[in-house]
Amino acid sequence: EVHLAESGGGLVRPGGSLRLSCAASGLAFGDAFMNWVRQAPGEGLEWVGRIRGSPNSGTTDFAAPVKGRFTISRDYSKTTMYLQMNNLVPADTGVYYCVTQYGGSFESWGQGTLVTVSS
Amino acid sequence: QSALTQPPSASGSPGQSFTISCTGTSSDVGGYNFVSWYRQHPGKAPQLIIYDVTKRPSGVPDRFSGSKSGNTASLTVSGLQAEDEADYYCSSYAGNSFVFGSGTKVTVL
Repeated sequence: EVHLAESGGGLVRPGGSLRLSCAASGLAFGDAFMNWVRQAPGEGLEWVGRIRGSPNSGTTDFAAPVKGRFTISRDYSKTTMYLQMNNLVPADTGVYYCVTQYGGSFESWGQGTLVTVSS
Repeated sequence: QSALTQPPSASGSPGQSFTISCTGTSSDVGGYNFVSWYRQHPGKAPQLIIYDVTKRPSGVPDRFSGSKSGNTASLTVSGLQAEDEADYYCSSYAGNSFVFGSGTKVTVL
């Protein structure tokens, strides 16, 4: 069974940075396409970005609102994915979910970690 | 990329059926057979219930079905149960990106 555990959320001031982690188990981590999806308080789901698995491992795609500010990386030895978030703005506030991708869908979800951007 | 359009709410009595629409464009819903649907209970992570327009993951009952016509996808839930009261979201691949629907809150009367 796939298990995803996010961590690293918290309160950060506008303009600040934060790094989220997603520890994964129960899957072929090197082959997996991994995504971040966020949800602002009381709002809907928003795709943030992804990092590809084999055969294009390590390449990334991002949604327009975060492109140039967020990066995604993965540590194969720790089976962990990271979301580095820079120059944060209040609109980045929300629960961030780590999600595995199966074809064109989001198959397994973590429990989420809350990021609050506020002064 | 604009959010896919879903009705904000839907309701039904136990045992009834309902259908939720999800309208996009030829760049997302209409361009790929990668539409998926998710059910989210309050305070919980979303759960995949339909993928590739019509397919159900293992463990999802056949009360849930999906379809697509042009730029609009649909989710039908038959035999409504109390546990179906939740928020429902569609999603579509959009060429190296993904877009979600605006969400539909389903109430079981």
